[in-house]
Amino acid sequence: AQSVTQLGSHVSVSEGALVLLRCNYSSSVPPYLFWYVQYPNQGLQLLLKYTTGATLVKGINGFEAEFKKSETSFHLTKPSAHMSDAAEYFCAVTLYSSASKIIFGSGTRLSIRP
Amino acid sequence: DTEVTQTPKHLVMGMTNKKSLKCEQHMGHRAMYWYKQKAKKPPELMFVYSYEKLSINESVPSRFSPECPNSSLLNLHLHALQPEDSALYLCASSQDHEAESTYEQYFGPGTRLTVT
Repeated sequence: AQSVTQLGSHVSVSEGALVLLRCNYSSSVPPYLFWYVQYPNQGLQLLLKYTTGATLVKGINGFEAEFKKSETSFHLTKPSAHMSDAAEYFCAVTLYSSASKIIFGSGTRLSIRP
Repeated sequence: DTEVTQTPKHLVMGMTNKKSLKCEQHMGHRAMYWYKQKAKKPPELMFVYSYEKLSINESVPSRFSPECPNSSLLNLHLHALQPEDSALYLCASSQDHEAESTYEQYFGPGTRLTVT
């Protein structure tokens, strides 16, 4: 069965610093991978996705993630943090065979220090 | 239009009340979902409708009753809830997996439910 592990329930960075949110997955078949962001009192918004093809995926708001099969990782990065990036971030995985079911990681809360 | 709308935004109800949550999408998606999200936790899947038919029920108590009147609408009927049912209820939609799709789900803003 597939699963997702997000390392670090809370990450704090300074404004302008690199953002790195870690995600590792477990899957016996090639997965589809997603990062979602949730701002306070809002729903989830898709940041980016990996299905097939290029392993470096660019998303909205300057975020990108790289699919590394050998490391079973899909870490999210942003070169320069902005105050507006403060939110909860969820890594998620789904399989073609059960596309209706998304498996979410436990989430990482990103705080930005002025 | 990539928007999923949900009403109401907030709902306070007593344990003997009957209320309904509503969700609407106009993206032509044929799969719709209900999730429950407790504070500081990821969303938990409750129900999945595919082509207006219930395809997944994640062993949700019968006090939650979903309904899909048409391909754009999804309701969640609530009756005799418990205080522990207080949470953010999220609706989502996606293209059905039989279509050429990347399977991402689009989420609504949620309904904040408080059971007193």
